Amino acid sequence: DTGVSQNPRHKITKRGQNVTFRCDPISEHNRLYWYRQTLGQGPEFLTYFQNEAQLEKSRLLSDRFSAERPKGSFSTLEIQRTEQGDSAMYLCASSPGGGISNQPQHFGDGTRLSIL
Amino acid sequence: AQSVTQLGSHVSVSEGALVLLRCNYSSSVPPYLFWYVQYPNQGLQLLLKYTTGATLVKGINGFEAEFKKSETSFHLTKPSAHMSDAAEYFCAVSDRSGGSNYKLTFGKGTLLTVNP
Repeated sequence: DTGVSQNPRHKITKRGQNVTFRCDPISEHNRLYWYRQTLGQGPEFLTYFQNEAQLEKSRLLSDRFSAERPKGSFSTLEIQRTEQGDSAMYLCASSPGGGISNQPQHFGDGTRLSIL
Repeated sequence: AQSVTQLGSHVSVSEGALVLLRCNYSSSVPPYLFWYVQYPNQGLQLLLKYTTGATLVKGINGFEAEFKKSETSFHLTKPSAHMSDAAEYFCAVSDRSGGSNYKLTFGKGTLLTVNP
């Protein structure tokens, strides 16, 4: 079990630029989640994949955000035309799928995004 | 909709003292319940979970929590605090029916400080 891996760990960019984050889940975990955590708050759900299918998106995920999980393996989260309010820690988590319904999610160390 | 309330955004204890972190949830059906710990600039690590069965669950690092349905609570305790326990703690719930894709709803977190 190599854990959930996220890259980069830190990203600093100017307002208006596009950024992309990558998440490599634990191998054979079918479920993959993205969360956003702002300072002093708990993580908030953004989107969910089961294998390669994106099955749920939060209202927090504006049309500037897009996420993919090609071939049901790694996932990417892209933010276009970044805004100051996008500054946050972006967390990825994965868990087994299938008939296993109560397995906990395993989190990566996150990507901290800072918008100048 | 589910919600989680963590009473006390900051708890300070002395080394060796009892740790009590409070969590109450709001849900039409008792959900799955989790406690996660987050160290600075890291992701979330699972401490323990309650899914079914015994209402007193034991986790890692000497922590335990008790599910009380009548009080809609899942408070986290540790008999004797250690300096290494200083971190932020998050209570989280997920819908056990699977209708919400098992996404987690988090409380705002409690920062635990341990004084020597």
